Amino acid sequence: DIQLTQSPSFLSASVGDRVTITCRASQGISSYLAWYQQKPGKAPKLLIYAASTLQSGVPSRFSGSGSGTEFTLTISSLQPEDFATYYCQQLNSYLHSTFGPGTKVDIK
Amino acid sequence: QVQLVQSGAEVKKPGASVKVSCKASGYTFTGYYMHWVRQAPGQGLEWMGWINPNSGGTNYAQKFQGRVTMTRDTSISTAYMELSRLRSDDTAVYYCARDAALVYCSSTSCGEANAFDIWGQGTMVTVSS
Repeated sequence: DIQLTQSPSFLSASVGDRVTITCRASQGISSYLAWYQQKPGKAPKLLIYAASTLQSGVPSRFSGSGSGTEFTLTISSLQPEDFATYYCQQLNSYLHSTFGPGTKVDIK
Repeated sequence: QVQLVQSGAEVKKPGASVKVSCKASGYTFTGYYMHWVRQAPGQGLEWMGWINPNSGGTNYAQKFQGRVTMTRDTSISTAYMELSRLRSDDTAVYYCARDAALVYCSSTSCGEANAFDIWGQGTMVTVSS
């Protein structure tokens, strides 16, 4: 099975900061990676799919990049509503999907 | 609007079974695979498996093989996830999520990639004696 790791697991940042989260896959997954945002008590929300394509309605301060085994999610200027936990997900194999362990973004 | 509405919270005893429903509306139910994902308190997301609502075909994560059954009723656009032989560590919020084939374009071509674009609100299942 394909495993995903995320770094950091926790980060503290201020409004206006540029934030980058990394997701690494245990084997190549081409560009079959998605990013989700989850706020406490809520279902996850799709932000980015195919590694770098912004889901409709998601602000342009979010961006994704990477392919193969290393991917990044960047928030160009952190807003108050962006404090949440972020998960990557691989969908390379249709028989088995996996989520990363998550990165919690907190207020400094 | 497109939405998934799940059944309410459940409290079960160890060894029992639970069946969670997920009613789809606003789109063609049989046109999209449905996945189930769970989240234990304070923990991350765990993928459980999927059902093809059109054919009824299923695929389960190895961890849940033999304990999970995913079914659907196309007449009421509803998917179900049943988990048996419950243990305390099955205490979690269970989500259904629609799997969409979304269009993306690179500099040279366009294609489709899957992602979970619509999620249910979650169903809390508590397993306690």
